[in-house]
Amino acid sequence: DTEVTQTPKHLVMGMTNKKSLKCEQHMGHRAMYWYKQKAKKPPELMFVYSYEKLSINESVPSRFSPECPNSSLLNLHLHALQPEDSALYLCASSPRDRSLTDTQYFGPGTRLTVL
Amino acid sequence: AQKITQTQPGMFVQEKEAVTLDCTYDTSDPSYGLFWYKQPSSGEMIFLIYQGSYDQQNATEGRYSLNFQKARKSANLVISASQLGDSAMYFCAMREGITGKLIFGQGTTLQVKP
Repeated sequence: DTEVTQTPKHLVMGMTNKKSLKCEQHMGHRAMYWYKQKAKKPPELMFVYSYEKLSINESVPSRFSPECPNSSLLNLHLHALQPEDSALYLCASSPRDRSLTDTQYFGPGTRLTVL
Repeated sequence: AQKITQTQPGMFVQEKEAVTLDCTYDTSDPSYGLFWYKQPSSGEMIFLIYQGSYDQQNATEGRYSLNFQKARKSANLVISASQLGDSAMYFCAMREGITGKLIFGQGTTLQVKP
């Protein structure tokens, strides 16, 4: 089973709201990722967790706060977002973080709209 | 630094025909992996096929096959017997060694005509 789940599927929030995106995998993967994707563009990496520790932060604004409570779960906490943060947020996982050959499996994504 | 180039922004194919989506790459690593993903309008990024740099044979997965030409640094995706459900954006990607992140091409939008 190569399933990564994400909730919610859609999220509309105001600029003063606080919300969270959730991601879960049960494949025993030790690396998990958050990507942001704008329409008609490739995904852009935001964060990488390896063995539940943050290993890469691609200079993401602090209004995005990742959290990895355990090896199966990954959260992205959102606070005081801007309209330009509206995008598709994709979670992915892979067996290891720095292997050149491991496949990353993606979840269905959360479509976020910031009003 | 690694780079992936997809030169076809959009492609059309007739249902039941084969189509080739182009991908060229640039890397100085002798060991690397190349990946193709399909992204329908629903948004999910679906893994299709993987080719390792040391694999002797071209990868195949059902109707998907990879035309891997190492000397030319190309890894084209061939979809045989196209179906309407194949209409989607297709991304070619490579893992970066230092960060492990996926380096994506700009993608190719494929439309299958009935």
